[in-house]
Amino acid sequence: AQKITQTQPGMFVQEKEAVTLDCTYDTSDQSYGLFWYKQPSSGEMIFLIYQGSYDEQNATEGRYSLNFQKARKSANLVISASQLGDSAMYFCAMREGSFGNEKLTFGTGTRLTIIP
Amino acid sequence: DVKVTQSSRYLVKRTGEKVFLECVQDMDHENMFWYRQDPGLGLRLIYFSYDVKMKEKGDIPEGYSVSREKKERFSLILESASTNQTSMYLCASSLQTPKDTIYFGEGSWLTVV
Repeated sequence: AQKITQTQPGMFVQEKEAVTLDCTYDTSDQSYGLFWYKQPSSGEMIFLIYQGSYDEQNATEGRYSLNFQKARKSANLVISASQLGDSAMYFCAMREGSFGNEKLTFGTGTRLTIIP
Repeated sequence: DVKVTQSSRYLVKRTGEKVFLECVQDMDHENMFWYRQDPGLGLRLIYFSYDVKMKEKGDIPEGYSVSREKKERFSLILESASTNQTSMYLCASSLQTPKDTIYFGEGSWLTVV
């Protein structure tokens, strides 16, 4: 079974609009972390935002926010006021496991294209 | 500034060759990881290490081995490269706390011909 599911292979969004990238996860751990990374065409992985499983408030980092719905096991990324530079691949990831056995598992990604 | 450095950005190797991909981090991180990235499959974990000389298999270890003789260096080895190992390889490192961000290198594009 997939641990991280991103159901949108590609999205096209008009510049300045908000966009939501979907992510659902599967774990039996009580303590875990959820991450979003951006990967531009250059290939580097850029950390965007983190949500801990015990964090009660949704994480926010500038134009990025994470819509965390624990009961639904969903961790959607919201980008407000999208910009042309937001065009990239976006990966949702989950970190689980105990000391010495932590792993970060990734989804298959969503390619976001911002249209001028 | 945090730095994970992968020694080679682009490599072309022949089938059957032994290939070394080197990764160095300067953040004194305990954890280091090797992933491969393929279109439509996302990033898949090959091996990870949580201490010097320690290694654990990830989801796709077949055809690969790793070495971690020093804390800052984690090497991925393809004993006998095959064409199905043509891919982008990403090294990453982190501290051993759940909240800590995992930092990635720029990636190594390997083509096996």
